[in-house]
Amino acid sequence: AQTVTQSQPEMSVQEAETVTLSCTYDTSESDYYLFWYKQPPSRQMILVIRQEAYKQQNATENRFSVNFQKAAKSFSLKISDSQLGDAAMYFCAYRTTATSGTYKYIFGTGTRLKVLA
Amino acid sequence: DAGITQSPRHKVTETGTPVTLRCHQTENHRYMYWYRQDPGHGLRLIHYSYGVKDTDKGEVSDGYSVSRSKTEDFLLTLESATSSQTSVYFCAISESVRGETQYFGPGTRLLVL
Repeated sequence: AQTVTQSQPEMSVQEAETVTLSCTYDTSESDYYLFWYKQPPSRQMILVIRQEAYKQQNATENRFSVNFQKAAKSFSLKISDSQLGDAAMYFCAYRTTATSGTYKYIFGTGTRLKVLA
Repeated sequence: DAGITQSPRHKVTETGTPVTLRCHQTENHRYMYWYRQDPGHGLRLIHYSYGVKDTDKGEVSDGYSVSRSKTEDFLLTLESATSSQTSVYFCAISESVRGETQYFGPGTRLLVL
């Protein structure tokens, strides 16, 4: 069964600095999608970035970028120029294909990011 | 923002009572999902639907049932609530043709006493 592991329960970063959140996953699939979601104190889940496994180029969205290492099954999130508003819980997620041919998502346990002023 | 609403947003109930949570979408997306979020566990899939009357189980489906009689509505029922079902419940939608993003509702906080 596919699994998603976030080994850092909590991390801190100084404002304006760069931080990297780790995510590893286990799968035998070759075509899949990976996501990072942000959950601020409001509890709303917000998509940060998405990566398609068949694309070798790492996805980038403004200050957010990923380091996708398919062979190593690693999908880390880098936040540059950290801002106070980046403080949140971050979840890594993997989209898998069920035996029925339908799609479902597996989430990691999350990393709480604190941004220090 | 994707048009997803959940009702109720907060509920307190007693052990043994039935509870139904509703998820409503205005996006006409094919897939709808129910998750629960608990500290230390992230989001865990309860059930999901890939069309009207088409549903499948997730990893924590015991004690829960679902129904989808219309594209826009996905109901989650706790037949006889237990304290272990105290959680925050999220609904999500997705078209999922080629890995499209999931969009999440605002969540429902359920307390079972």
